[in-house]
Order: sequence, then C-alpha cells, then structure tokens
Amino acid sequence: EAQVTQNPRYLITVTGKKLTVTCSQNMNHEYMSWYRQDPGLGLRQIYYSMNVEVTDKGDVPEGYKVSRKEKRNFPLILESPSPNQTSLYFCASSIARGSPDTQYFGPGTRLTVL
Amino acid sequence: AQTVTQSQPEMSVQEAETVTLSCTYDTSESDYYLFWYKQPPSRQMILVIRQEAYKQQNATENRFSVNFQKAAKSFSLKISDSQLGDAAMYFCAYTGWGTSGSRLTFGEGTQLTVNP
Repeated sequence: EAQVTQNPRYLITVTGKKLTVTCSQNMNHEYMSWYRQDPGLGLRQIYYSMNVEVTDKGDVPEGYKVSRKEKRNFPLILESPSPNQTSLYFCASSIARGSPDTQYFGPGTRLTVL
Repeated sequence: AQTVTQSQPEMSVQEAETVTLSCTYDTSESDYYLFWYKQPPSRQMILVIRQEAYKQQNATENRFSVNFQKAAKSFSLKISDSQLGDAAMYFCAYTGWGTSGSRLTFGEGTQLTVNP
C-alpha cells in the first residue's frame, strides 16, 4: 500500500529534551516536506527536500532541523523543544520532477512540549 | 508570495442538501494546482479534489465539484447531497513550482457541520 508513515503519533516531552519525528514514504517520491498545523493558521511549511541531500527552509523553520540521507526518509529534529512548538505535525511527499503535483500526507504527530 | 484565503471559518448544511465552500488565492505563477483537503476528527489530511490551472474544465469527484474561476482567482468547492461523514475541516491549498519547489500554501480552513 502506498503511504507516508510518521512516528510517533503522539508525544509529550519537556522543554529542552531533544526529539526526532520520523517520516517515511514508499512511493519513491523525490519531494518531501514537513508542515505544522496550528488553530486558525492552517498548515505552514517548516522544511522541504527536493531530493537526497537537498533540503531548504520553508515558512517557519526556526527551532527545527531536517536531513535527507535516503530518498524514502525525512526525519524532523527538534534539538531543544520549547512550548511554542506544541503543534500537530504532518509529513508529506510528492513525485515533483520539476512540476507541481499532489502531495500525500502522513497521519500526523501530535506533539506537546511542557 | 502566494496566499490562500478562506473567508468562511464555519459553515453548516442539512443532510442531503448542497453547500459551497469559498476560496480565493493570489499568485503570479501560470502553472499551478489547487486542492481541497478534508480533515476529519481523526486529523488525517484527505485529498478531496484537485484542479490543474491549465485545464478549463472544472474537476468533479462524485458528489464533490469545484468552480474554478482563473481570472478571478477563485476556487470554490460544492458538496452535493451532503452526508454526515462530510463533517470536517476543509482546507483549500495551492501549489506552484517556484524557487521552493512544490510547496503547498493553505488557507485557514472552513469547519463544516452537517445537521441530520
């Protein structure tokens, strides 16, 4: 089954404790992206990757890191989480190849930073 | 920068009736896609329908159809024969192919309630 998976689905942590949210897709997509969803703001892009070893900032990158060492994986790293990073996080992927296309979303990760 | 605006934070409809959700966008790109995503209480983002800007014909998926007005930069979603399972948050989204690749820009969302 073609899908985007994320882990964990729910996470409660404390300020300053490093964490990683994993994202994996099995569709051989080139483009992968992280979004955060906050009430009244819709979804905003954090980081994106157009291919292996190619990453760049989105609209709200402060406090986050990413890496793309393999085509299928795109982990989101919070090295020192703060309460304002409490949010619902989505990973998404698309074929890309130089043109806009449909993005497919993972199930979301609900993060609470105390 | 592209922007997407949904001016209706909440909408309600009676079961079996028709409802239209509004969306406007702003862009200077010529090649882009528009989407409606549905987010039920499970929080999963589900693609409802997509429209390629170069296509003049409005997209349709079963009970869901769009009214795409390219010159007016308007992209509304019509849900016919509304069902209880249609109750959800609906997001309008835009993607082009600028310097940031295939970024999705979302509207603020419209919460749809379906009354039995």
